[in-house]
Amino acid sequence: DIVMTQTPLSSSVTLGQPASISCRSSQSLVHSDGSTHLSWVQQRPGQPPRLLIYKISNRFSGVPDRFSGSGAGTDFTLKISRVEAEDVGVYYCMQGTQYPWTFGQGTKVEIK
Amino acid sequence: QVQLMQSGAEVKKPGASVKISCRASGYSFGSYHMHWVRQAPGQGLEWMGIITPSGESTIYAQKFQGRVTMTRDTSTSTLYMELNSLRSEDTAVYYCAKDGYYIVDYWGQGTPVTVSS
Repeated sequence: DIVMTQTPLSSSVTLGQPASISCRSSQSLVHSDGSTHLSWVQQRPGQPPRLLIYKISNRFSGVPDRFSGSGAGTDFTLKISRVEAEDVGVYYCMQGTQYPWTFGQGTKVEIK
Repeated sequence: QVQLMQSGAEVKKPGASVKISCRASGYSFGSYHMHWVRQAPGQGLEWMGIITPSGESTIYAQKFQGRVTMTRDTSTSTLYMELNSLRSEDTAVYYCAKDGYYIVDYWGQGTPVTVSS
């Protein structure tokens, strides 16, 4: 199974400041179709998860542009350019390149 | 808009089975794979498996092989997940989710399952 490792596991951020989360996979996430199926999901407290980013850097419908994704191969990053109160929650990276699909452990983002 | 409405909370005894439903609307249910993902209390997300649009094929995480069955009824746009031989470690919120080609793009609201004697 592909292991997804996120750092940090928690982050306390001042409103309006940036935040960054790293995700490393135990093997390349490049699929045979040439795409890299790495996505990021957000889970606000008490809510189901919500897709933010897919294929490394593509924002899903309705996702604010303060969220951005980058990376390649085995190393990926989610950035929030200016954290807002509604961004509090847990963020997971997820790979859909190989079965079983796997998630990172999650990174908890809170407001300082 | 895409909606995935799951059945209500369940309380089961160890050794029992649970069957959760997920009714889809707002898109062509018969055209997309569907997933189940679970989340134990205070823990992260765990992928359980996927079922093809026709329901003819499934892939389960090895951890659940032999205990889980995913099915779907295209006539009612409903997805089902049955988990057998429940143990306390199966206490979790279970989510159905729509596949968006190598991603999960929409999630149900979750169904809490408690396994307790």
